[in-house]
Amino acid sequence: KQEVTQIPAALSVPEGENLVLNCSFTDSAIYNLQWFRQDPGKGLTSLLLIQSSQREQTSGRLNASLDKSSGRSTLYIAASQPGDSATYLCAVFRDDKIIFGKGTRLHILP
Amino acid sequence: DGGITQSPKYLFRKEGQNVTLSCEQNLNHDAMYWYRQDPGQGLRLIYYSQIVNDFQKGDIAEGYSVSREKKESFPLTVTSAQKNPTAFYLCASSPPGAKAHYTEAFFGQGTRLTVV
Repeated sequence: KQEVTQIPAALSVPEGENLVLNCSFTDSAIYNLQWFRQDPGKGLTSLLLIQSSQREQTSGRLNASLDKSSGRSTLYIAASQPGDSATYLCAVFRDDKIIFGKGTRLHILP
Repeated sequence: DGGITQSPKYLFRKEGQNVTLSCEQNLNHDAMYWYRQDPGQGLRLIYYSQIVNDFQKGDIAEGYSVSREKKESFPLTVTSAQKNPTAFYLCASSPPGAKAHYTEAFFGQGTRLTVV
């Protein structure tokens, strides 16, 4: 059974720092991997989608990498800002299933 | 604009009542999903549907029911059999990919259900 783990569960860093969020999965035979952001009481907003043939994707200050063989993905946030405070979730796609991690709750200190 | 619309945003249920949460999408996606989210927990799959008039149970289907009469709509009914329904409910859709793989997910803004 595919399991997705996100470490750490919570993270507080001062504004301006670069940071890395981790996502690991137990079954490397995934199709795509997607990173989301969730603000309190809101739905999930897609940040980056890494397709099965890709190793990374970039959008602005965000960069996500995927290493299927080791079962790992990282989300790199450069020059963090207070507006980046949110919960970040990763999801893996395999067959007709979408499996989510529990998320990393990020707090950027002004 | 294309997207997923969930309504209502807030819903209150008396004990013993059935309530229905609406989810509509205009993205022309085949697959639709319902998830439940509790504080400090991840998303748990309730039901999903890959095609009109067909749906499958997820990990926590007990006490819930769904229908998929139209491609655009996937309503979720929380029945009185669901003993702890207070939670945040999220609907998602996904476009088809090759060989039945689903490729990316799009989410609505959620419905917060509270039992009073």
